[in-house]
Amino acid sequence: SQQGEEDPQALSIQEGENATMNCSYKTSINNLQWYRQNSGRGLVHLILIRSNEREKHSGRLRVTLDTSKKSSSLLITASRAADTASYFCAKLTYHNAGNMLTFGGGTRLMVKP
Amino acid sequence: EAQVTQNPRYLITVTGKKLTVTCSQNMNHEYMSWYRQDPGLGLRQIYYSMNVEVTDKGDVPEGYKVSRKEKRNFPLILESPSPNQTSLYFCASSIGGVSYNEQFFGPGTRLTVL
Repeated sequence: SQQGEEDPQALSIQEGENATMNCSYKTSINNLQWYRQNSGRGLVHLILIRSNEREKHSGRLRVTLDTSKKSSSLLITASRAADTASYFCAKLTYHNAGNMLTFGGGTRLMVKP
Repeated sequence: EAQVTQNPRYLITVTGKKLTVTCSQNMNHEYMSWYRQDPGLGLRQIYYSMNVEVTDKGDVPEGYKVSRKEKRNFPLILESPSPNQTSLYFCASSIGGVSYNEQFFGPGTRLTVL
């Protein structure tokens, strides 16, 4: 089962604009992570926000987490054509003997030069 | 170079022919996992392993087996592949523990079962 959904499923913007992607989830989480995937390739970790954090920054990335609404957002500022990729949120939850990372369906971002 | 490697990268096989996809990491990570990625469904976890000889089912374990005899290796075994297992498979690893785990992903294995 997918823990959450990304919104929008696809986003097309011009270079220089900001891109905002949202992620919702259903059950309690330990932390939430955002990953990037270039077409057909492995995922690359971008940023991790813990359940007791509300906002985190990394370069042009800003992630917020609202545990009361069970949602998170990823903001990419001053987007570049190289930011074109799919972005996934992933929720870390406790599961049986260990923990599980559950991914959403992703947002496909296209940044036009 | 710290990395997760998978082999093969591409594989076309036929229904019922047993196959193994290997995964190896050189970062001394405790936690390893397998995912499959299908259009519109995102990534779904198949199996994960917290450490040597400790494995557990993820969301979609049916039709798959895994083993963790060594810390660095986590092979995915399809005993009798079927066409619905055609997918893009990713192996990932992380330091472990119960939180704060950044996953490192392999390059993926594209499997087609005819």
